[in-house]
Amino acid sequence: AQSVTQPDIHITVSEGASLELRCNYSYGATPYLFWYVQSPGQGLQLLLKYFSGDTLVQGIKGFEAEFKRSQSSFNLRKPSVHWSDAAEYFCAVGAYNQGGKLIFGQGTELSVKP
Amino acid sequence: DTAVSQTPKYLVTQMGNDKSIKCEQNLGHDTMYWYKQDSKKFLKIMFSYNNKELIINETVPNRFSPKSPDKAHLNLHINSLELGDSAVYFCASSAGPEETQYFGPGTRLLVL
Repeated sequence: AQSVTQPDIHITVSEGASLELRCNYSYGATPYLFWYVQSPGQGLQLLLKYFSGDTLVQGIKGFEAEFKRSQSSFNLRKPSVHWSDAAEYFCAVGAYNQGGKLIFGQGTELSVKP
Repeated sequence: DTAVSQTPKYLVTQMGNDKSIKCEQNLGHDTMYWYKQDSKKFLKIMFSYNNKELIINETVPNRFSPKSPDKAHLNLHINSLELGDSAVYFCASSAGPEETQYFGPGTRLLVL
């Protein structure tokens, strides 16, 4: 069955510290992957995406993610977190010939300590 | 200009009522979607339309009926609302079925 797992429900980091949010997927087909961010009461904003090519992708707000096919992972990283990064982060996975259906992870809530 | 817009932003209604949520995109995209986000923030696709044709219909009660009058609009009509329908409903669009999806701000539905 297709699934996306974000193992960390809630993470707290200090401002200026580095961040890594984990995402693992189980998919029978070749996936494409996204990270979205949701601030309280807001919609989902695209952070970055991977379809093919270079497995290290850069996104907005200084985020990057690395696709590791052998580990079925697409972890999100940021070298220095800002207080404004506090939000809910969602990993989403799709596959070709699935009509655009995205499977979302459960989300990781990020809190930032001053 | 808002790329994907939804109306209303908030909707509070009684059980048994019928309500509609509207979605419009000005990105020129061919594909539009409805997702439901439950109280635990879990997001699940409900429907997808490509060029006004239904291509994804997940296991959604038939009280939910999407309608796409044109490629820029995808509305969601819900009949006989139930308490369990309370959620945030997100519309999204993409250039094609396997392209990046852009989400609207969401409609927060509360059924009393």
